[in-house]
Amino acid sequence: AIRMTQSPSSFSASTGDRVTITCRASQGISSYLAWYQQKPGIAPNLLIYAASTLQSGVPSRFSGSGSGTDFNLTINCLQSEDFATYYCQQYYSNPPTFGQGTKVEIK
Amino acid sequence: EVQLLESGGGLVQPGGSLRLSCAASGFTFSSYAMSWVRQAPGKGLEWVSTISGSGGSTYYADSVKGRFTISRDNSKNTLYLQMNNLRAEDTALYYCAKDPTHGGNSKLDYWGQGTLVTVSS
Repeated sequence: AIRMTQSPSSFSASTGDRVTITCRASQGISSYLAWYQQKPGIAPNLLIYAASTLQSGVPSRFSGSGSGTDFNLTINCLQSEDFATYYCQQYYSNPPTFGQGTKVEIK
Repeated sequence: EVQLLESGGGLVQPGGSLRLSCAASGFTFSSYAMSWVRQAPGKGLEWVSTISGSGGSTYYADSVKGRFTISRDNSKNTLYLQMNNLRAEDTALYYCAKDPTHGGNSKLDYWGQGTLVTVSS
């Protein structure tokens, strides 16, 4: 199975900050990567797919980049509602696998 | 509006069985693959199983292969997960999720709110 590793596992930031989360795949996955946001007690929400395509309804302050093995999720001008845990997921090959998650906390 | 409503979770003893259901609405159910994803308490997301829109293809995580069976009834717009020989490590919140493709193995664009399965004596 392809292993997905996110970094950092958690960090603190302030509203208005620009933050970047990294996801690395153990082998090349082209652009078959999705990002999800999960808030406590709520189901995950798809933010980005195909590494850089914004899901309908997702604010434009979210963006994704990368291909192959290295990917980034960037949030410009962090808002209070963005404090959550973020997961990457590869769907290049079966089984689909998730990163371990990155928790973004309020500084 | 897409809605996914899971049910069937509960407390079960090790070695026991449980069947989860996911009632879908707001989209043409038979056109899309569906998946189960679980999340152990305080942990990350783990894909469990996927079934194609027609039900003709199914996929399982190694951790559940031979114990869990995914199925669907397209006439009832309902997804199922039959879980047998349950273990403590199967304790988790189980989400059903919609795949935007017919065949599966893609991103998951809609998720239910989950149903909790607790395996304990």
